[in-house]
Amino acid sequence: SQTIHQWPATLVQPVGSPLSLECTVEGTSNPNLYWYRQAAGRGLQLLFYSVGIGQISSEVPQNLSASRPQDRQFILSSKKLLLSDSGFYLCAWSLGVYEQYFGPGTRLTVT
Amino acid sequence: SQQGEEDPQALSIQEGENATMNCSYKTSINNLQWYRQNSGRGLVHLILIRSNEREKHSGRLRVTLDTSKKSSSLLITASRAADTASYFCATDPVSNFGNEKLTFGTGTRLTIIP
Repeated sequence: SQTIHQWPATLVQPVGSPLSLECTVEGTSNPNLYWYRQAAGRGLQLLFYSVGIGQISSEVPQNLSASRPQDRQFILSSKKLLLSDSGFYLCAWSLGVYEQYFGPGTRLTVT
Repeated sequence: SQQGEEDPQALSIQEGENATMNCSYKTSINNLQWYRQNSGRGLVHLILIRSNEREKHSGRLRVTLDTSKKSSSLLITASRAADTASYFCATDPVSNFGNEKLTFGTGTRLTIIP
């Protein structure tokens, strides 16, 4: 069966510090991978998605970046965090435009 | 941009009652999906309905799709306390032109009162 892992679960970082969130998927090959951000009590904002190694589509211009160094690994990064980067970050995978399967999320607080 | 808008934003009902929430979207779609999110957790896929389908059932869930009105509804029958969660619709717009991504709505917060 397929599983998706995200870490860390919670993170408190000062403004201006770097960020690295990691997501890995097990039990499937060549999945689509997605990074979303969710503000408190709000819907999901798609940040990046990838349909293959090295292929990243950016949905929102900002100080975040994503990379896919391996087939089932997706990394969200920032060189310098802003207060507005606080939120709940969710990684998801899918095969095509059908069901997406979400990780447990990372709660990021920028102070 | 948000393709789907759920209505109501929040809903509180007594346990055992039926819960209905609606989703409206703006452009033609290939499929529409419903997800549930428990507080502080990831989303869980509930059901997918294709644009050529009008109704679909899964256990206590019933989803309808009206493409002429660009709307969908999710009915949860005989609600339970464990149904307390936020519910989101997500669409695969035709305008995606094959880009494999979904657009999520703003969600309905459902509270089941024991």
